[in-house]
This record gives sequence, structure tokens and C-alpha cells, in this order.
Amino acid sequence: EAEVAQSPRYKITEKSQAVAFWCDPISGHATLYWYRQILGQGPELLVQFQDESVVDDSQLPKDRFSAERLKGVDSTLKIQPAELGDSAMYLCASSLGKRNTEAFFGQGTRLTVV
Amino acid sequence: GEDVEQSLFLSVREGDSSVINCTYTDSSSTYLYWYKQEPGAGLQLLTYIFSNMDMKQDQRLTVLLNKKDKHLSLRIADTQTGDSAIYFCAESSLTGNQFYFGTGTSLTVIP
Repeated sequence: EAEVAQSPRYKITEKSQAVAFWCDPISGHATLYWYRQILGQGPELLVQFQDESVVDDSQLPKDRFSAERLKGVDSTLKIQPAELGDSAMYLCASSLGKRNTEAFFGQGTRLTVV
Repeated sequence: GEDVEQSLFLSVREGDSSVINCTYTDSSSTYLYWYKQEPGAGLQLLTYIFSNMDMKQDQRLTVLLNKKDKHLSLRIADTQTGDSAIYFCAESSLTGNQFYFGTGTSLTVIP
């Protein structure tokens, strides 16, 4: 069964360091999402791509976060410099395209900033 | 973003039915979803309902939608210990195709 792949599963980093997460969506899925889930809360959208273009990054803290999906397939989310408050689960999801009914989530990357 | 609210905790005995409730604010919501998240894992789509439907049943799961009150519920029949998880309600609209999630309801099934 096709899955959204994310790596690494876990990441511990010191504050002020750079950290990057990778996501490979389900093959053929044009829409890719990065969500952040703080412990005890629901996921919140950071950035949404349609193919290689950013559709919505209004909630992305652009002073330290960046995201790219250069070839419209896999994607990288970077944080530089990391802050203690960035500790969270970072979830990637994909869907076939606009107005698609289902988004499929990866296992997530658990980030701990110390 | 849109407001999607859920109660935080629910405990049921194994074999009983569970009902998890959700309210949302966006009247233009097109699809409403229920996701399940087990500890340390990503979100698993359980079921979804289109906003012009009142009910959808899928094996042990029944989704009820009251569009007038903007209230969504998920009923799990014959709840099992493996159903213990956090359940998230989510909605999306025709514009943007973004998903807005509730805070999640932690379901504990007591053997």
C-alpha cells in the first residue's frame, strides 16, 4: 500500500542549530502539506504545495522556517535556527490534488530542541 | 483559521459504544473527516462525510452530521481496546483545500 514517507522519525537538536526534515508523498499526489503538531493539540498547517508551487505559507514563520518542493515530488522543511518552542511533531501529508477528499499522512518527525 | 472544537477525553468500557463529538464554525465546509492517531504515530483517515449528507456508516463506524448546528459525531460500535487513541475531527472547504483540525479527543477503552 502506498504511503507518505518521512525521515527522520526522531530528531534531537540543540537550539540555534539547523534541522531539516524530508517527505516523499504518495506517487502522483500533486498536493503536499507540512503540518506542525504541538503535544496535546491538533495539527496546524505550516505550508501547502500544489506541485512545486506554494499555495499557502501564511502560517510558516518565515524568519526561521523554509520549505521547498523543487521538482514537485518530495519536499524538505528546514528550521534555522531552531528554538525550544519548535519542539513538536512535524507531519507531512499528501493528496491527489485540489478539492481531493482525502489527505494521507506520514508517520511524522518528532523534533526535540534542547 | 476555522474553529473546530472537541471534548478532550472520553472513557468507555470494552464492548460499549463510543460517541465522539465535534463542532465547527465554517458554514462553507465541504468535507468533514475523522482521523485516528495512535501514540507517536501519524494520522490515519478513518472516514469522511460530504456536507450534503446526514449520515455515513462504515462497518463499526457511524458518522452523523447536523449541518444546521454544525455538529459532527463519530460513533464506534463494540469499542475494542485497540480503538484507544486520539480522534481528530477535521474540515475542509472548496477554497484552498486546507484541512482544519480540532484539538483531538483522547479515547480510553477500559477492558
